[in-house]
Amino acid sequence: EPEVTQTPSHQVTQMGQEVILRCVPISNHLYFYWYRQILGQKVEFLVSFYNNEISEKSEIFDDQFSVERPDGSNFTLKIRSTKLEDSAMYFCASSEGGPSYGELFFGEGSRLTVL
Amino acid sequence: SQKIEQNSEALNIQEGKTATLTCNYTNYSPAYLQWYRQDPGRGPVFLLLIRENEKEKRKERLKVTFDTTLKQSLFHITASQPADSATYLCALGSKSTFGDGTTLTVKP
Repeated sequence: EPEVTQTPSHQVTQMGQEVILRCVPISNHLYFYWYRQILGQKVEFLVSFYNNEISEKSEIFDDQFSVERPDGSNFTLKIRSTKLEDSAMYFCASSEGGPSYGELFFGEGSRLTVL
Repeated sequence: SQKIEQNSEALNIQEGKTATLTCNYTNYSPAYLQWYRQDPGRGPVFLLLIRENEKEKRKERLKVTFDTTLKQSLFHITASQPADSATYLCALGSKSTFGDGTTLTVKP
């Protein structure tokens, strides 16, 4: 069964460092998302991406964050200068259709620890 | 502001019984509502989507209802099994905004 894959599974970084989290969405999916989940808290929307541009973003997704689809398969989340509060599990998701389609397929997550 | 409330942080039931989880929302007019399952340390897994013009949706032992007047969805697992133990999340809107989740424990 096709799946969303994320790398790395765990990354430890120093505060102020740049981090890139990578995702390979399901191949025929057109809509891509990043979510984060701070330990013990809810899954929070960060950004959605379609047709090589951001469709929606939350207030969490400030200038420190960026997303990119550098080639036909990868979808990346970059955090420019990490803060302690960026420590969380980051989930990538993809869907075949747009917002009215729902049904997101999530990866297993990348755990980011900022020291 | 928009709010999603999943009543009961935790629900404990006996194997074989029906689990009923609730999702209430305010300041939303969602065209659809989704339910996901999340196991510890794993990503959410899609279970069911119900649209505003559908009163009920079923998939195997799962049933979802959607009452747009009450602004509520109920999620039922019939003949529950210990393997159903997980956190169940409802999600609304184009961003799939998630509720806090209800952690279900099914005891043998």
